[in-house]
Amino acid sequence: GAVVSQHPSRVICKSGTSVKIECRSLDFQATTMFWYRQFPKQSLMLMATSNEGSKATYEQGVEKDKFLINHASLTLSTLTVTSAHPEDSSFYICSAALAAGAQETQYFGPGTRLLVL
Amino acid sequence: EDKVVQSPLSLVVHEGDTVTLNCSYEVTNFRSLLWYKQEKKAPTFLFMLTSSGIEKKSGRLSSILDKKELSSILNITATQTGDSAIYLCAVARISGNTPLVFGKGTRLSVIA
Repeated sequence: GAVVSQHPSRVICKSGTSVKIECRSLDFQATTMFWYRQFPKQSLMLMATSNEGSKATYEQGVEKDKFLINHASLTLSTLTVTSAHPEDSSFYICSAALAAGAQETQYFGPGTRLLVL
Repeated sequence: EDKVVQSPLSLVVHEGDTVTLNCSYEVTNFRSLLWYKQEKKAPTFLFMLTSSGIEKKSGRLSSILDKKELSSILNITATQTGDSAIYLCAVARISGNTPLVFGKGTRLSVIA
């Protein structure tokens, strides 16, 4: 089956630093990738939809200048949390759509746990 | 605004019990409903439902969609401690590559 990887799996950083999270589709090309955030005991919250070669579409309330998304190729999307603060500590999950227009065939990465001190 | 509502939000049962998790939706341009299981990491896919009344089954898990009632249920029979997880319901819409709409999930705890 399709595999999506995320790196790093866990990161601890100091307040004010920037953190980059990579999401890769290992054995398929993903025109669209999605970035989610999940706080403890809560559901997934969609942050943005990342389209290869174009600007990401951010959900309401998500600051695009704080959460920079780059989808430079069909197998890689990156999320950079700029000037991270403790309230950004969360579990970040990406998913990749197997085919354009087929949201159901979304494969999730294993997630990145971010802790900002 | 499109929304997906799951109930109950949390549930504690004993091993061997049967549980039913509910998902209702109000979504324009509905295409399909999906169930996921999330343990400590990312969600894993369970079922995709597109047609009413057709039960999908995988081992002790089964699910069915009712498009008239705009809802779905996920049944787990003879529960085991390994079934403890958050169960997420999501709806896919017809229009292009729009993202899934997720419910808040049901946290199931199965105790021995």
